[in-house]
Amino acid sequence: QQPVQSPQAVILREGEDAVINCSSSKALYSVHWYRQKHGEAPVFLMILLKGGEQKGHEKISASFNEKKQQSSLYLTASQLSYSGTYFCGTPSGNTGKLIFGQGTTLQVKP
Amino acid sequence: KAGVTQTPRYLIKTRGQQVTLSCSPISGHRSVSWYQQTPGQGLQFLFEYFSETQRNKGNFPGRFSGRQFSNSRSEMNVSTLELGDSALYLCASSLAGRGSPLHFGNGTRLTVT
Repeated sequence: QQPVQSPQAVILREGEDAVINCSSSKALYSVHWYRQKHGEAPVFLMILLKGGEQKGHEKISASFNEKKQQSSLYLTASQLSYSGTYFCGTPSGNTGKLIFGQGTTLQVKP
Repeated sequence: KAGVTQTPRYLIKTRGQQVTLSCSPISGHRSVSWYQQTPGQGLQFLFEYFSETQRNKGNFPGRFSGRQFSNSRSEMNVSTLELGDSALYLCASSLAGRGSPLHFGNGTRLTVT
């Protein structure tokens, strides 16, 4: 079952904040977040694990609500470099397969 | 460390032909996954290979196949190409298993005319 992302698109000014949500109809054990800039490959941002442990390496935060079966990505004080399409991905089975949401396009303007 | 390398970057084929795409994972990564990306369908999982074995397969027709070699390099093949196969094909490698981040290559842009 594909996770559902909201909103589909966001336009911000530099310095503004944004939240991107990812919801699943199935129980979530972990959620991956990726960002894809136009014409480039998706880049890993972070993994949210059941139990609240977060793994990532960028200055973007996220939360994972197991009861709501939802993860949220928080972009604070956005920069021009944050522009791109953000995808959440949920594992399927005990393999490396991810099912991705439809993506949220974020545009940050000067 | 070198990233994931996909070749070729661009391909133009005609309907009915077949095509082979290649992916070299990050050194030490044993899992290779393939995804199809289109504007309408987003990122769709094709298959995953781990230690030369297909571990998982997406909902694609049998015309789509793949394999992984002992050095973890992977190829995917699409036979009897259709117009709808036009897409960006992305390869991603990871160390293994469920908790590992995917590292994507730049993709192969396939156009079927």
